[in-house]
Amino acid sequence: GQQVMQIPQYQHVQEGEDFTTYCNSSTTLSNIQWYKQRPGGHPVFLIQLVKSGEVKKQKRLTFQFGEAKKNSSLHITATQTTDVGTYFCAGAGGYSTLTFGKGTMLLVSP
Amino acid sequence: GAGVSQSPSNKVTEKGKDVELRCDPISGHTALYWYRQSLGQGLEFLIYFQGNSAPDKSGLPSDRFSAERTGGSVSTLTIQRTQQEDSAVYLCASSQRWGNTGELFFGEGSRLTVL
Repeated sequence: GQQVMQIPQYQHVQEGEDFTTYCNSSTTLSNIQWYKQRPGGHPVFLIQLVKSGEVKKQKRLTFQFGEAKKNSSLHITATQTTDVGTYFCAGAGGYSTLTFGKGTMLLVSP
Repeated sequence: GAGVSQSPSNKVTEKGKDVELRCDPISGHTALYWYRQSLGQGLEFLIYFQGNSAPDKSGLPSDRFSAERTGGSVSTLTIQRTQQEDSAVYLCASSQRWGNTGELFFGEGSRLTVL
């Protein structure tokens, strides 16, 4: 079945440093979504990417979808303590249900 | 409602008992999903409803797990003869769009502890 791998599992940065998490699929994806889950909270939708090579920005967050539509990344510039949480990618191929990666837990020290 | 509502928020049960978890999706959302999240882990897909039918129930871990949805709205996830490995947070999500391209709106989850 479809698998979505996410790395790293965990990253600890100092406030102001950049952060990137990567998502790789074993199959071509029709779209990829990113979610953020704060500690003790539930996942909250951030963005969806559909087109090959697509790049979208939300303030300090930059999302990319690979040319082959098998990988994606989320980059945060100049992290803040409010960025703390676990970031999940979720991909789907064809008509399959969204498959979530295991997430990258981000810890930001002031 | 304003958001996805799940109940109970916490459930402690003894091994072997049956439990029912309820999800009330956002009004008008036709797609409904159940996921399971163990401590510090990712989201494990359980089942997906489109209206009242379940086109994808491939994630249900065993025949002790079942789910239904009535009236295209409320869904119930039932776990029979609970085991300790069933302890997790059960998350429900709904989506306005069917298929796999719609944004998922998650509830706060039901935390199940099996003693």
